[in-house]
Amino acid sequence: AQSVTQPDIHITVSEGASLELRCNYSYGATPYLFWYVQSPGQGLQLLLKYFSGDTLVQGIKGFEAEFKRSQSSFNLRKPSVHWSDAAEYFCAVGSNNAGNMLTFGGGTRLMVKP
Amino acid sequence: DAGVIQSPRHEVTEMGQEVTLRCKPISGHDYLFWYRQTMMRGLELLIYFNNNVPIDDSGMPEDRFSAKMPNASFSTLKIQPSEPRDSAVYFCASSRGTANEKLFFGSGTQLSVL
Repeated sequence: AQSVTQPDIHITVSEGASLELRCNYSYGATPYLFWYVQSPGQGLQLLLKYFSGDTLVQGIKGFEAEFKRSQSSFNLRKPSVHWSDAAEYFCAVGSNNAGNMLTFGGGTRLMVKP
Repeated sequence: DAGVIQSPRHEVTEMGQEVTLRCKPISGHDYLFWYRQTMMRGLELLIYFNNNVPIDDSGMPEDRFSAKMPNASFSTLKIQPSEPRDSAVYFCASSRGTANEKLFFGSGTQLSVL
């Protein structure tokens, strides 16, 4: 069975600082990996996704993520955080074998200090 | 396209009452998902449909929960009778037919059972 772990429940960074949100997955084959963002009172919005090819994936809003098979990780990064990035971030894993079912991590709540 | 539309946005009801949540997926999407989000358990998949047919309902908590998709443009999630522990945000999401397609989420229904 596939699973996703986001070790950090809360993270606080200063505006302008760099950001890295951790995600570790468990899946036997090559996974499909996603990062979603949820603003307060809203549904989830896709930031980026990885299926194959280049292990460094660029997303919207200046985010990127790197797939590291050896570490079973797909960490999300942003070089300079903006106050509007404050939200909850979810990592998810899926596969062809699971149809369109995604397994989500528990989420990381990002707070941005002025 | 208006995106995935859920109604109502907020629902407050008393224990024992029937609750019906509604969802209109994006036109042309073959998959529809119902998720529940709580602080304790995060984002849980309840059930999903492919071409209006329920594929996996293993996430439905118990018989009090039922979901239908009578046509490609409408789905309901019903709780009868409702209990306070059902209080959560319920999200509907839709996607196209392949595992690597992103999910489009509605804004959710905030359910409070008193």
